[in-house]
Amino acid sequence: DAGVIQSPRHEVTEMGQEVTLRCKPISGHDYLFWYRQTMMRGLELLIYFNNNVPIDDSGMPEDRFSAKMPNASFSTLKIQPSEPRDSAVYFCASSFLSSTDTQYFGPGTRLTVL
Amino acid sequence: AQTVTQSQPEMSVQEAETVTLSCTYDTSESDYYLFWYKQPPSRQMILVIRQEAYKQQNATENRFSVNFQKAAKSFSLKISDSQLGDAAMYFCAYGSSNTGKLIFGQGTTLQVKP
Repeated sequence: DAGVIQSPRHEVTEMGQEVTLRCKPISGHDYLFWYRQTMMRGLELLIYFNNNVPIDDSGMPEDRFSAKMPNASFSTLKIQPSEPRDSAVYFCASSFLSSTDTQYFGPGTRLTVL
Repeated sequence: AQTVTQSQPEMSVQEAETVTLSCTYDTSESDYYLFWYKQPPSRQMILVIRQEAYKQQNATENRFSVNFQKAAKSFSLKISDSQLGDAAMYFCAYGSSNTGKLIFGQGTTLQVKP
């Protein structure tokens, strides 16, 4: 099994630009999660999906952030426009049966907004 | 709201010795799950161990074991025969059956000395 795949691994962009992060969950997993990790706030859940449907997006910081899951094998997290405070590592994770099942994390995308 | 507290920002252990990482949590829920994740310098989040709250028996995985004290809301991780490869940041996490969310502690950085 390839595990959770995220792209890009690193992204450097300028303030105001649109950023799109991509995730491919483990095949057969029904739950997909997006997290953000910063030194100040630690690991925060941004949004999670069940069977491609967003269940809880209460962690999304503001309207500049949006996430989609058009099919069972692909999800995107978009930031538009990006700001320096969005600089962080963004993780995607997936799980099989339920949201309290073991979550398997991707390698993360390190985002730097200049 | 549930909270997870890791009171030890940093710990160190001599190779081959045993170390215990502390974690406490606060919740009013009766059905939940607890996890320990390891994050080495590669930043990949790796599951170490998982505990269902309804199980009294402490989970073990090879050199890793937990001491789960439900009444005290404590969930410590014991690493026996520590190895250099155990050096990482360790996160305790609470999984809510009601909300479907994982809530992470702030992490403990473990240093293993040769």
